Amino acid sequence: EVQLLESGGGLVQPGGSLRLSCAASGFTFSGYAMTWVRQAPGKGLEWVSSISSSGEKTYDADFVKGRITISRDNSKNTLYLQMNSLRVEDTAVYYCAKDQHSSGRGSAFDYWGQGTLLTVSS
Amino acid sequence: SYELTQPPSVSVSPGQTASITCFGDELGDKYAFWYQQRPGQSPVLVIYQDNKRPSGLPERFSGSNSGNTATLTISGTQAMDEADYYCQAWDSRNVVFGGGTKLTVL
Repeated sequence: EVQLLESGGGLVQPGGSLRLSCAASGFTFSGYAMTWVRQAPGKGLEWVSSISSSGEKTYDADFVKGRITISRDNSKNTLYLQMNSLRVEDTAVYYCAKDQHSSGRGSAFDYWGQGTLLTVSS
Repeated sequence: SYELTQPPSVSVSPGQTASITCFGDELGDKYAFWYQQRPGQSPVLVIYQDNKRPSGLPERFSGSNSGNTATLTISGTQAMDEADYYCQAWDSRNVVFGGGTKLTVL
């Protein structure tokens, strides 16, 4: 059974930093691209970043602008999202999702974690 | 930037057919994907590559994509289908989600 377990969310002040993690199990993690999607309270889904199975290629939403970095450690079956210079508008539930394929581009997201809530507030 | 437009809400009676549309410029030239999100839950993939159903998904879910419009169709709608539905596509290197449609089963 595919399982994705996000962690690392919490309350952070504006301008602060945080790293989210997503522990994967139940599939060959190194064989699939992975993605982060966020959802602000009461709002729709917003793509953040995707990374290929090897980690060599990453794809970021325009709003990331160097503040947010996706990475993965295939030896630990874990996906990460490093978030710096956090803003109030970054407040959201952050989901990690497994891609259907390895490239990180063009496929659907067939499994999702339960999400972790990040609140940016002073 | 590329945009996908969905109606904010759709209502359907139990047992009837619900259609949820997603509009985007030349969307038919891309693959469309659909996700269901029940209240308080994570999204679930219900249609990929325009019209394919993931294993285990009820046959009452179907999809189509042509021209500028992708459509998610739910036949014989049940109360458990009440949820938010999001379309999604890739535009070059970017993932785009529609704004979501709240399906109400009256």
